[in-house]
This record gives sequence, C-alpha cells and structure tokens, in this order.
Amino acid sequence: GNSVTQMEGPVTLSEEAFLTINCTYTATGYPSLFWYVQYPGEGLQLLLKATKADDKGSNKGFEATYRKETTSFHLEKGSVQVSDSAVYFCALKAAGNKLTFGGGTRVLVKP
Amino acid sequence: DAMVIQNPRYQVTQFGKPVTLSCSQTLNHNVMYWYQQKSSQAPKLLFHYYDKDFNNEADTPDNFQSRRPNTSFCFLDIRSPGLGDAAMYLCATSRGGEGAYQPQHFGDGTRLSIL
Repeated sequence: GNSVTQMEGPVTLSEEAFLTINCTYTATGYPSLFWYVQYPGEGLQLLLKATKADDKGSNKGFEATYRKETTSFHLEKGSVQVSDSAVYFCALKAAGNKLTFGGGTRVLVKP
Repeated sequence: DAMVIQNPRYQVTQFGKPVTLSCSQTLNHNVMYWYQQKSSQAPKLLFHYYDKDFNNEADTPDNFQSRRPNTSFCFLDIRSPGLGDAAMYLCATSRGGEGAYQPQHFGDGTRLSIL
C-alpha cells in the first residue's frame, strides 16, 4: 500500500534559520505529492504540490522537489518567520481520490 | 473568499446526543470528504462522496454517517457521540475523474466537544 514518512517534530528554530522537513514515500505508480500546512485552530491549507518526477513546487518561500530516485519530497525554506509556526503534512495521491498523509511535523519558530 | 465552509466552527454536544456537522463548497467539485483529526495527528478519512456515490472507509464506526443532498452540501451525522469522538472534523473537496491528481481543498474544520 501507499505510505508517507516524515520526520517527527517538534522542530524548534530561530527566526531567519533554514528549515528542512524530510518526507519519503512508498507508492505504486506515479503519485502526486503535496505539502499541507495547518495553523493552530485551522484546517489544512495546500502549501505546494508536484505532479511528476523532478517537478519543483514552491509557494511563500517554501520549496520541495519531487525526487523519484530517492522517493522523497523534502520541504525547505531558506529563512523562516515566526508566522511559519505550524504543523506541516506531507501527502501523496496515487490513482483514485484518497490522500495518504504523513504523521505531521510541528514547527516552532522563536523570535 | 472561503471556498469550503464548515459550520459551526465549534460544537458542543452531550454524550449520546445526536449531532450534525455541515459543509458547503463553492468550487463545484464532485468529490467531498470527511476527516477526523485528533491532537494534530494526521487527518483520518471517515468517508467520501464521489458525486452521489458514498464510499465508507472500512474502519469508520457505524456511529458516523453522512448525507450529500446536492453537489454543494455534505453533512456528517454522529448518531450517539461518545467521549472518544471529541475531535476536529475536517471537510475537503476535490475534482475526481481526470482530476485524480488535483489537490484536496479543506475547510477550517469544526471542533467537536462532548460533555
């Protein structure tokens, strides 16, 4: 079956630090990959996506590259802000309509 | 503008008293989903509608049911809520069919508390 593994948190950083959240996946076929972000008390927001190998998704300074050879989709941001404090979910969607989520990574950015 | 709208944002009910959560969408997506999320864990899919076709997850308790009277609205009914059903409930939508690789769009959720 499909699965997503992402690094456990919490990840605590200082403002302007570099952020990486690792995500690897197992899937049959050619899945699409997503990062969602969840701010406290809110639903999930799509942060970025990539639908085929070597695609790079980017949004709000975040980037992730679909690496088929390493089955990875690591999330990066060069300079985090306090407002980036949230829980980040890596997810994949293969054939069909269901998302498979990773366990989520809580990120806390301190001033 | 909110595209997936969940009402209410917070719902309190009593143990065993039926409760209904609602979701509406302005995206005209043909697939609608209900998730349960506890304590910042990953959302757990309860069921989804593909158009009018209902698809239940194998491990969703019978206590949870859903209705989709039209494309725009979907309801989650909890017949006899137990303390373990206290959670955030998330509604999401997506395009189905050729849009199988389209993302899901989430509402802000309803936080359900059980007294």
